[in-house]
Amino acid sequence: ETGVTQSPTHLIKTRGQQVTLRCSSQSGHNTVSWYQQALGQGPQFIFQYYREEENGRGNFPPRFSGLQFPNYSSELNVNALELDDSALYLCASSLGDLAGQETQYFGPGTRLLVL
Amino acid sequence: DQQVKQNSPSLSVQEGRISILNCDYTNSMFDYFLWYKKYPAEGPTFLISISSIKDKNEDGRFTVFLNKSAKHLSLHIVPSQPGDSAVYFCAAGLGGTSYGKLTFGQGTILTVHP
Repeated sequence: ETGVTQSPTHLIKTRGQQVTLRCSSQSGHNTVSWYQQALGQGPQFIFQYYREEENGRGNFPPRFSGLQFPNYSSELNVNALELDDSALYLCASSLGDLAGQETQYFGPGTRLLVL
Repeated sequence: DQQVKQNSPSLSVQEGRISILNCDYTNSMFDYFLWYKKYPAEGPTFLISISSIKDKNEDGRFTVFLNKSAKHLSLHIVPSQPGDSAVYFCAAGLGGTSYGKLTFGQGTILTVHP
């Protein structure tokens, strides 16, 4: 069983640019959630994808968007990057049992620096 | 609005002793709670969870206690080991159709001294 993987591990961008981060979910998991973790803070929920559809969104502007593919891998896209977007971006996968209380399993994250 | 709070930024414990990490929450609708451990340059690792219908859950050296009336949970690690040194996050979930969104505390840095 493979765990959650993310790419790239590190990324440097400049203000105004666009970025795409990628996530492969754990084998057998059909749900992917994205979180932003600023320095010294806990992760903050961005959005979740369940079977290729967005299933909930946190308090993030529309320039944060995502996709989930038929193999349940996912992308996080951020347009018009701002300095405050500098953070660790975490992807988490889960089984997607809507009746249950989900445990989410995290990848190692992508460290994004916006200059 | 910080719905989940970990008021102790850090905790230092001697090897072999008990570590107690605390977490408070404000939203009485939270349905389940989780603890994660995070090492530098890694993603959070799931440790243990508890449903709101329980007041205790145990897994090896880790026990989570939930006091719903006080909106408080704690993680006990006994005995503490140097390898337990990490940042610990508590998280809360709403369940149902909102089950995917976890709300995290700010984290507590645990240092276990040999």
